[in-house]
Amino acid sequence: DGGITQSPKYLFRKEGQNVTLSCEQNLNHDAMYWYRQDPGQGLRLIYYSQIVNDFQKGDIAEGYSVSREKKESFPLTVTSAQKNPTAFYLCASGGDGAATEAFFGQGTRLTVV
Amino acid sequence: GQSLEQPSEVTAVEGAIVQINCTYQTSGFYGLSWYQQHDGGAPTFLSYNALDGLEETGRFSSFLSRSDSYGYLLLQELQMKDSASYFCAVRDSARQLTFGSGTQLTVLP
Repeated sequence: DGGITQSPKYLFRKEGQNVTLSCEQNLNHDAMYWYRQDPGQGLRLIYYSQIVNDFQKGDIAEGYSVSREKKESFPLTVTSAQKNPTAFYLCASGGDGAATEAFFGQGTRLTVV
Repeated sequence: GQSLEQPSEVTAVEGAIVQINCTYQTSGFYGLSWYQQHDGGAPTFLSYNALDGLEETGRFSSFLSRSDSYGYLLLQELQMKDSASYFCAVRDSARQLTFGSGTQLTVLP
């Protein structure tokens, strides 16, 4: 089945550790996005990528890093520089057209312990 | 940059009609879209407007006025399962997709 897969669903991290969240899509989409959602809040853009080997910072990129070595994959690393990383992280992908809808993965809930 | 404003909460009763407004500021506007998110779940796409006017998809309709930088989502014949958060989102010329802070819709019996 076509779709977008995030793993793991739940992740616990100790303070000071880096952690990488996986996002894979088999929809052949060029665009991929990472969002952070805090309880009762909206989606804030962390990074996005329109093409392989290229990505742009969103509104809250500090403390995060990404790579886009393959069209299908857009992993997000939450570094120790991110002071408040506990949140719900959502990955999305979309096609080339401006009208194309974005498809979301089921999210990763990260908790710092 | 981009910014969107929408009401934080709306409450309505089953069978009623509710309108959720969204105003936006963006450069290189490409379109306004709407997403639904149930608690703990992933957002799902509802509708999209690139041109002025009304788009209808079943019980949901979406409207856009580009000159006013304004749009709304209209939900008709409300059902309990419509209780969720609703987000407007804009895509700009750089294909950045920015979301509003969301409107929590509560449908009462």
